[in-house]
Amino acid sequence: EAQVTQNPRYLITVTGKKLTVTCSQNMNHEYMSWYRQDPGLGLRQIYYSMNVEVTDKGDVPEGYKVSRKEKRNFPLILESPSPNQTSLYFCASSLAGTGALGYTFGSGTRLTVV
Amino acid sequence: GENVEQHPSTLSVQEGDSAVIKCTYSDSASNYFPWYKQELGKRPQLIIDIRSNVGEKKDQRIAVTLNKTAKHFSLHITETQPEDSAVYFCAVNAGGTSYGKLTFGQGTILTVHP
Repeated sequence: EAQVTQNPRYLITVTGKKLTVTCSQNMNHEYMSWYRQDPGLGLRQIYYSMNVEVTDKGDVPEGYKVSRKEKRNFPLILESPSPNQTSLYFCASSLAGTGALGYTFGSGTRLTVV
Repeated sequence: GENVEQHPSTLSVQEGDSAVIKCTYSDSASNYFPWYKQELGKRPQLIIDIRSNVGEKKDQRIAVTLNKTAKHFSLHITETQPEDSAVYFCAVNAGGTSYGKLTFGQGTILTVHP
């Protein structure tokens, strides 16, 4: 089944403790992206990647890191999480081969930083 | 960066009525305009998209219209049904070398009353 898989689904952590949220897609998509969703603010793009070793900042990259060492994986790293990073996070991927950018989203990771 | 404004923030209609949601954007280089539907507790899902060389696109009960000159595009849902109740997000890509960057509107909560 074609899908975007992110783990974990739920995570509670403490301020300053480094964490990684994993994301994997099995559709051979070139583009991958991370979003955070907060009430009243919609979906905001954190980082995106156009291909292996090619990444760029979205609208809210501060406090986050990403890497794209393999085409299928795009982990999100929070080196020193803070309470304002409590949010619902979505990973997404897109083929973008036709010039369109229809992202397929994962199920989401609800992160709480205390 | 790109500024995307979405209106209205909430929309309540009776079953069978039409619903229209409008988005405006600021970057004249943008050329891809998707719409996503997010049901409660679920991931966003692409429902329709349009590229800048097309003025209108229709898929059964949903349609999207684009006015590039005025920099706005709209989602039209006809013959609404209770299962259309969800949050709808418009999005706009960045042109040029930031092609993977996608900016979302703030969302519209659509409620269809039986």
